[in-house]
Amino acid sequence: EIVLTQSPGTLSLSPGERATLSCRASQSVSNSYLAWYQQKPDQAPRLLIDGASSRATGIPDRFSGSGSGTDFTLTISRLEPEDFAVYYCQHYASSSWTFGQGTKVEIK
Amino acid sequence: EVQLVESGGGLVQPGRSLRLSCTGSGFTFGDYAMTWVRQAPGKGLEWVGFIRSKRFGGTTEYAASVKGRFTISRDDSKSIAYLQMNSLKTEDTAVYYCSRVGLLTLYGMDVWGQGTTVTVSS
Repeated sequence: EIVLTQSPGTLSLSPGERATLSCRASQSVSNSYLAWYQQKPDQAPRLLIDGASSRATGIPDRFSGSGSGTDFTLTISRLEPEDFAVYYCQHYASSSWTFGQGTKVEIK
Repeated sequence: EVQLVESGGGLVQPGRSLRLSCTGSGFTFGDYAMTWVRQAPGKGLEWVGFIRSKRFGGTTEYAASVKGRFTISRDDSKSIAYLQMNSLKTEDTAVYYCSRVGLLTLYGMDVWGQGTTVTVSS
């Protein structure tokens, strides 16, 4: 079973700053099946990035995804107030999904 | 508007059963695989299981933590997916979300319900 490890656990930044979130897989995975989600308090997750680098419908272009093999990155180019939330990476393989433990992006 | 709405959550004793429903609207429900994801209090997301569309056999897959206890089914005529939970344990306490596997995604879940809370406690 593939384990996804996200780092850092918490990222403290100010609005306007750049956020770089990491997701590392315990073994090489198909980047086609790597997704990122945003979750705000008391809300359902929202799909941001699919296929490691494709923005989902309606997602602003300040969100970008990259990576391959075992290392993947979600970048938020300039943080807006509404971007402070928890972010999860997710991988699909063999008819099952695995989530990372999440990275919280908080206001510094 | 594309929407998913879960219902059926509540307080249940350990060992008992509960059935959750997920009602879709604004899209052709039968075309989509549907998944269930849960989130224990203060914890991260955990995939529970999914059901393929009838086009792909309508078969199901489950996480090891619930296999043999939970069953997912669907009624496309009513646009509803169900999560039957038997032999509930305290560790099943969570918010349960249903979500849709997007047709234009690479197994990304593009629509989510608001969640329903299940509390397993004596």
